[in-house]
Amino acid sequence: NAGVMQNPRHLVRRRGQEARLRCSPMKGHSHVYWYRQLPEEGLKFMVYLQKENIIDESGMPKERFSAEFPKEGPSILRIQQVVRGDSAAYFCASSYTGQGYGYTFGSGTRLTVV
Amino acid sequence: DAKTTQPNSMESNEEEPVHLPCNHSTISGTDYIHWYRQLPSQGPEYVIHGLTSNVNNRMASLAIAEDRKSSTLILHRATLRDAAVYYCILLNSGGSNYKLTFGKGTLLTVNP
Repeated sequence: NAGVMQNPRHLVRRRGQEARLRCSPMKGHSHVYWYRQLPEEGLKFMVYLQKENIIDESGMPKERFSAEFPKEGPSILRIQQVVRGDSAAYFCASSYTGQGYGYTFGSGTRLTVV
Repeated sequence: DAKTTQPNSMESNEEEPVHLPCNHSTISGTDYIHWYRQLPSQGPEYVIHGLTSNVNNRMASLAIAEDRKSSTLILHRATLRDAAVYYCILLNSGGSNYKLTFGKGTLLTVNP
């Protein structure tokens, strides 16, 4: 039973380009969460999605960031027109119930903006 | 949100027990105490959680003070693979209880 799969593991983008981060939850999990870890900082909640629905996006920057979790396929975190400050590790987690325990995290995507 | 306080770092020797403390003096009656750890270059990993009673699982034990204002994560025999940042997190049983709030955690170093 594969865990939460994130790809790519490392992503380098030039300023102004788009970054697409993918997350495939564990089999049977329909709740997906994205967290961001800036250098030397703790992980911060970004967004919570269920299939085809955004439940809570209170941690998402107001501009340039979007997330989706389509009926088929992985969840996508999209960052448009990246800036140096977007350089961070982005982690995806999934859960079965959405009740706040038993999260399984992926290994993350490390985004570097040059 | 209720906050937690943990030491910035701790050191242990391999095969010895490790007691990682966490203070949460403003905990509410419906807050669960969760522990996650993050190994280098990895995502966080769930360790254990509890409400009032002490809890044991294959990874660790969680000892919760009677007044619930503090708790201790116990690794019974530390291995080199236990070197990680350990996070103590409070999660309420109601409302937006899916949102983990990570602090700085405790960096555990395990000496061979």
